[in-house]
Amino acid sequence: AQSVSQHNHHVILSEAASLELGCNYSYGGTVNLFWYVQYPGQHLQLLLKYFSGDPLVKGIKGFEAEFIKSKFSFNLRKPSVQWSDTAEYFCAVSPNDYKLSFGAGTTVTVRA
Amino acid sequence: DTAVSQTPKYLVTQMGNDKSIKCEQNLGHDTMYWYKQDSKKFLKIMFSYNNKELIINETVPNRFSPKSPDKAHLNLHINSLELGDSAVYFCASSQGRGLQGHTFGSGTRLTVV
Repeated sequence: AQSVSQHNHHVILSEAASLELGCNYSYGGTVNLFWYVQYPGQHLQLLLKYFSGDPLVKGIKGFEAEFIKSKFSFNLRKPSVQWSDTAEYFCAVSPNDYKLSFGAGTTVTVRA
Repeated sequence: DTAVSQTPKYLVTQMGNDKSIKCEQNLGHDTMYWYKQDSKKFLKIMFSYNNKELIINETVPNRFSPKSPDKAHLNLHINSLELGDSAVYFCASSQGRGLQGHTFGSGTRLTVV
């Protein structure tokens, strides 16, 4: 079955720590990949996206993600998190059919 | 200017009632969506419309009826509300098939009591 899996349900870390969130997908063929962030009580905002080309993509707020085709993965990273990065993070796939399929989300809590 | 705006932001209603949520986008996009986010924050597509035509209906009960009067608007009417309909409903828009990603509204938190 086609799916998007996020490895971590809840991540807790201290400010200045590095963050890596895993995402794997099981769609065949060409897909477009996204990471969205949802701050408490707010709507989803696009962090970054990958369509083709350089597998290392840079997004807003110091986030980056690496697409590894052989592993069907699109992991999100940030070298040094801040308290304001506390949010829900969603990996999503667009398999070319008028929808986004989301992973279950990862709650990131950054302790000051 | 809010790109994708939906109203109301909060909606509390009793079981059995009928309610509507409205959505408007000013991005010039031709595709609009409704997503449901449940209590575990899982997001799932409900409907997508392209140029006012229904493209996706993801096995949503008939009590949910979307209406797109024009490309900039997609409303959601829900009949005979049930407790399980309590969720946050997000409207979104995109150009074409959404390969560039979606722009989301701020959500409508529906609570059925």
